[in-house]
Amino acid sequence: QQQVKQSPQSLIVQKGGISIINCAYENTAFDYFPWYQQFPGKGPALLIAIRPDVSEKKEGRFTISFNKSAKQFSLHIMDSQPGDSATYFCAGGNTGKLIFGQGTTLQVKP
Amino acid sequence: DAGITQSPRHKVTETGTPVTLRCHQTENHRYMYWYRQDPGHGLRLIHYSYGVKDTDKGEVSDGYSVSRSKTEDFLLTLESATSSQTSVYFCAARGTERGDIQYFGAGTRLSVL
Repeated sequence: QQQVKQSPQSLIVQKGGISIINCAYENTAFDYFPWYQQFPGKGPALLIAIRPDVSEKKEGRFTISFNKSAKQFSLHIMDSQPGDSATYFCAGGNTGKLIFGQGTTLQVKP
Repeated sequence: DAGITQSPRHKVTETGTPVTLRCHQTENHRYMYWYRQDPGHGLRLIHYSYGVKDTDKGEVSDGYSVSRSKTEDFLLTLESATSSQTSVYFCAARGTERGDIQYFGAGTRLSVL
């Protein structure tokens, strides 16, 4: 199986709060785990990505935590802002092919 | 959208008609992908290309075909459209200089009535 399971399906967070989205994968051959951000009417755009040789990667307010033994990874958005309101997709892959999670719609309330 | 243009952006068609969606990229990326996006399913790979005239099936390829006669163009054809193919279709491209990053177009919203 090559599924990537993402939760929650939707998330509402107050401005300044922490948004957390979780993903679980099955294929241990995956060696690349990106998160994509998508605004309405636009295509997904890469937000941040991690390789399984590290447990955490941080870029600004966005952090990926990676647990190889549990086959899980998560996106943390610190100090969430209304401009972060979007749909987020996790993915896992190797050899250039990606399997995407189902997506999480994040709403950050002012 | 990283030099990736999809056309048309919106299309309404009838069941049983053939439909072709076009993806054009200006960055000379070697790899190109077609996905469909449906609520609750995320993005699912339809077909991909690893070079001119080199294509392979993804996880939801039934009812779709692709062609790539030039590096910059990747066409997706629905041979005989069905209502289950109503979806938003995204094209993506990936070069070798930045590893695994896929760059997406803005999408084509297709309705099959």
